[in-house]
Formats: sequence, C-alpha cells, structure tokens
Amino acid sequence: GAGVSQTPSNKVTEKGKYVELRCDPISGHTALYWYRQSLGQGPEFLIYFQGTGAADDSGLPNDRFFAVRPEGSVSTLKIQRTERGDSAVYLCASSLDRGRELFFGEGSRLTVL
Amino acid sequence: AQSVSQHNHHVILSEAASLELGCNYSYGGTVNLFWYVQYPGQHLQLLLKYFSGDPLVKGIKGFEAEFIKSKFSFNLRKPSVQWSDTAEYFCAVTGPGYSSASKIIFGSGTRLSIRP
Repeated sequence: GAGVSQTPSNKVTEKGKYVELRCDPISGHTALYWYRQSLGQGPEFLIYFQGTGAADDSGLPNDRFFAVRPEGSVSTLKIQRTERGDSAVYLCASSLDRGRELFFGEGSRLTVL
Repeated sequence: AQSVSQHNHHVILSEAASLELGCNYSYGGTVNLFWYVQYPGQHLQLLLKYFSGDPLVKGIKGFEAEFIKSKFSFNLRKPSVQWSDTAEYFCAVTGPGYSSASKIIFGSGTRLSIRP
C-alpha cells in the first residue's frame, strides 16, 4: 500500500481480555516500530523490528505485551490480560532502515473498560 | 538513559509572529535528530531531520532547525507562522552510535495554537 496501515482503528475491550493490533508497513521497509501515545504525551517507544527479529524490545512495559513480525512485513502487537492503564493510541511506524525517517500509521485507539 | 525535553507545552501565537520551539536531549555522541508534526486529525509526519553536515537544516513549509552540539539542542524555528501551522510538534532523537540508533525517542510535544 501507499502508507502504513493499522487495524483496527478503534478497539474497546474489557479488563482482562486479550487484544491484537495489526500493522502493515510500507512495502520494502525493513524496520518497524511500535509506540504508545497517551493523551498529552509524546510517543513512547515499545519495540523495534529489523526484518523478522525484535532488535530492541526494551520499551515493552511488562510481559503482558508481546509483538511478532514472522515474515518481515506485517506485525502484530499482542496484549494479554488488558488493564485500564493500557488504554492509549498504539502507533506503528516503518522505516527504510534503523534510525532513519519514520512513516507513521493512523494508530489504533485502545480503550479498556 | 536517553531523554528528550521539550520545555514549551503550549505556545499561542498570532499569525505572522516568529516561532521557536525548544528541544534538548540528554546525551552526546552521534545522534540523528528529527522534528515531527501532527496536524489535527492526522498522523505524525516528518518536518525535518538532521543526520550530519550543515547544522542548520531546512524542512517543509518554511520550518528550519539548528543543531547546537555544545548545548545538546535542536530548536525548531519559523520566521512567520500561519494559522495552518496549528498542530502538535514533537522532537525526536536516536540513540548514540549504530547499535542504539534503532530506538527513536520522542519528547512530550509542544502544542502550537495560532490565532488568525
């Protein structure tokens, strides 16, 4: 596609449920990033992939969060046992290479009731 | 740990006023620096970037930024703002060196409101 695509755009779930958020990067971009943005804050780094491997997952807040990119393209961010504090906009971005310009998707707004 | 500080949380200006938004980062070494903008209802997009060379970089829509290594700063400027510049502005920096360059860290953002 022309840009980074994220689905769903909105997700409302109940505390304790499992959630998956999907990111489809720009074709040919080897680097893929996940960020989380709360109201009034800047994007908070979660995890970065170079190809299929997670090159840096130091931003994942705890072991309820996990992300995969099995074929080096589409990525899925998985959140287990969701908590109200997980409510935020989850942003995906892709880049030609590490440390280069990021191209962002529209984000997935997660609301945990 | 690396960090990025944007001291101006909300700036209100009239059209045609000059703009300067501050950005400071916490460490030295080789870094890449960015300014991103988020217009209302839109996704984040790049305004300008600095990797090396001339410390004064020019971006889209008349924006520019100056990298001052001794001050760990990368301030954003525009000589004359327009109502359409109303947006949230984020400074971002990579880690020092190639091994840390993957982690691009963002500041908390500055909300710019332009009075028509």
